Amino acid sequence: LAKTTQPISMDSYEGQEVNITCSHNNIATNDYITWYQQFPSQGPRFIIQGYKTKVTNEVASLFIPADRKSSTLSLPRVSLSDTAVYYCLVGDIGSSASKIIFGSGTRLSIRP
Amino acid sequence: IAGITQAPTSQILAAGRRMTLRCTQDMRHNAMYWYRQDLGLGLRLIHYSNTAGTTGKGEVPDGYSVSRANTDDFPLTLASAVPSQTSVYFCASSAHRTGYNEQFFGPGTRLTVL
Repeated sequence: LAKTTQPISMDSYEGQEVNITCSHNNIATNDYITWYQQFPSQGPRFIIQGYKTKVTNEVASLFIPADRKSSTLSLPRVSLSDTAVYYCLVGDIGSSASKIIFGSGTRLSIRP
Repeated sequence: IAGITQAPTSQILAAGRRMTLRCTQDMRHNAMYWYRQDLGLGLRLIHYSNTAGTTGKGEVPDGYSVSRANTDDFPLTLASAVPSQTSVYFCASSAHRTGYNEQFFGPGTRLTVL
């Protein structure tokens, strides 16, 4: 199982860029890196997925170095509504669902 | 379009009782999953199903059973509930294919076992 390590919590201010880094030293060749967001009393919501280099969508960017042993989720110009828990997952649920581990996530708090 | 629905929203259950949590999706996804989330912690996979008629065990399957008679429904049964099964239960679905990791989650069922 590819174990991930994330900071337990982070604080930032509205309008700032926030970068959350996840370590996954034993990532396997076929593993993808996926990030989810979870608000209180709701199920997680998919944010972004990548395999290598950089991926960008309308809400975030994902940076993955060549060795793939870590990844960074970048949230541009955060707002109060970005306060949530962010989970980094490593694996491929299409190949092996039982190997997907959510971990404890990073609790991001955005202040005015 | 409802996406994924779960029932009940919440339930208080006496220990030893049998309980079935219901999950239905209308996205025609092949794969479905059940997770539990204990207070302040991440989600842990209980059981999953890659396609109708098949199921598999996740990280914490003991005390739970599932069935997948059709594409849309994936009920989770606690045969004899115990207090340690107090948790929030999330059902999810996804298109089952390699390299695709977007799961869609339901609103959750908050279960308390006394």
